[in-house]
Amino acid sequence: EPEVTQTPSHQVTQMGQEVILRCVPISNHLYFYWYRQILGQKVEFLVSFYNNEISEKSEIFDDQFSVERPDGSNFTLKIRSTKLEDSAMYFCASSPGQGRNQPQHFGDGTRLSIL
Amino acid sequence: AQSVTQLGSHVSVSEGALVLLRCNYSSSVPPYLFWYVQYPNQGLQLLLKYTTGATLVKGINGFEAEFKKSETSFHLTKPSAHMSDAAEYFCAVSELGDYKLSFGAGTTVTVRA
Repeated sequence: EPEVTQTPSHQVTQMGQEVILRCVPISNHLYFYWYRQILGQKVEFLVSFYNNEISEKSEIFDDQFSVERPDGSNFTLKIRSTKLEDSAMYFCASSPGQGRNQPQHFGDGTRLSIL
Repeated sequence: AQSVTQLGSHVSVSEGALVLLRCNYSSSVPPYLFWYVQYPNQGLQLLLKYTTGATLVKGINGFEAEFKKSETSFHLTKPSAHMSDAAEYFCAVSELGDYKLSFGAGTTVTVRA
C-alpha cells in the first residue's frame, strides 16, 4: 500500500538555525498538509497546499514558516530562525481530493528538537 | 469553530474486554468525523470515518463507531481487546467548508494480559 514518507525521522537543530523537513506524499494525491504535535498536546493543523499554493493556514503558520513543492514528488516545510518552542513532532499528510470525505494519509513524522 | 473532546487521556483494559473510547464534538453543523490510531514511533493511521448515511461505521481491526447527533458524540468501540490494540487513539473532525482536521487530545490505550 502506498504511503507518505518523511525524512529525517529525528532532526536536532540549534536555536536560530533554519530547518527543512521533507515529505514525499502518495504519488497520485493532490492535497498536502502539515500538522505538528508538541509533546503532551493536541495534533495541530499548520497548513494545506494545493496546486502549488497555500489553500489554508493556521495562526501558528506565521512568516517563520514556508512550504514548497520543489519538484513533482517532494513537499517541504521550512522553519526559519527556529525557537525552542518549535520542538515538536511534525506530520505530513496527503489526500487524493478536496472533499471532506477524502481521508488524509499521514507519514510517520519528524521529531524536531531545538537546543 | 469546532472542537473535539476526548474523555479520558488513558484507558486500561484487560485482553478480551470491551474497549470504549469517548469523543464529543462541538459544531454548528454535523461535521465529518474520524478516528485515527498511532502506534509507537509510527504515524497516524485512519481507523474509520463518518461522512453521511449509516451512523454506525465499521473500521479496520474490529473497531466501530457510532455517530449520535443528539449527543454530539462519536464513540469508538471494540468488543474484545487484543494486545496489539495498545496505542494512542485520536478523534478528529472536519467541518463543512473546511478541509483541515481538528484533533482531540488523544487517548492512550493499554491492554493487560
